[in-house]
Amino acid sequence: EPEVTQTPSHQVTQMGQEVILRCVPISNHLYFYWYRQILGQKVEFLVSFYNNEISEKSEIFDDQFSVERPDGSNFTLKIRSTKLEDSAMYFCASSESVGGGTYNEQFFGPGTRLTVL
Amino acid sequence: AQTVTQSQPEMSVQEAETVTLSCTYDTSENNYYLFWYKQPPSRQMILVIRQEAYKQQNATENRFSVNFQKAAKSFSLKISDSQLGDTAMYFCAFIPSNAGGTSYGKLTFGQGTILTVHP
Repeated sequence: EPEVTQTPSHQVTQMGQEVILRCVPISNHLYFYWYRQILGQKVEFLVSFYNNEISEKSEIFDDQFSVERPDGSNFTLKIRSTKLEDSAMYFCASSESVGGGTYNEQFFGPGTRLTVL
Repeated sequence: AQTVTQSQPEMSVQEAETVTLSCTYDTSENNYYLFWYKQPPSRQMILVIRQEAYKQQNATENRFSVNFQKAAKSFSLKISDSQLGDTAMYFCAFIPSNAGGTSYGKLTFGQGTILTVHP
């Protein structure tokens, strides 16, 4: 069964460093998302991406964050200068399309745990 | 904007018993979907059950069922015959849809309820 994959599973970095979190969405999916979950808290939306551009972003997604689909398979989240409060689990999700009068399920990856020291 | 509230931070149940997790939401949308996601210790997000707001009939998936009260904006999850593998964090979530039933945009999650099933 197709699945969303994410690498690395755990990333440890120093405050102020840049990190890139990688995701490989399901191959025929067109919508891509990043969510994050600070330990013990709810899952929060960061950004959605469609047709090579951001379609929606939250107030969390400030200038320190960027997303990119550098090739036909990867979808990346970059944090330019990490802060302690960026420590969280980051989930990538993808959905097949928008349309058709149905719910287009967002399939989640296993997450990347980011620890900022 | 939508909000989703889960007022039970933790719940516990004995194996084989039934447990109900509560969720309320607030939205001005008339069309939407509601979900329960399970997050076991592995942290993977797993879709448990989905409810379309236009459907009056409550969704059921094997041992999992919901009680959807649209007027009250309430959406509870009942787990029957609880199993040890049901131990996890459970999130209620919302996504709007258009009049044709096509969902759009982001999922909005509640704070989660940690469910522990005891042998």
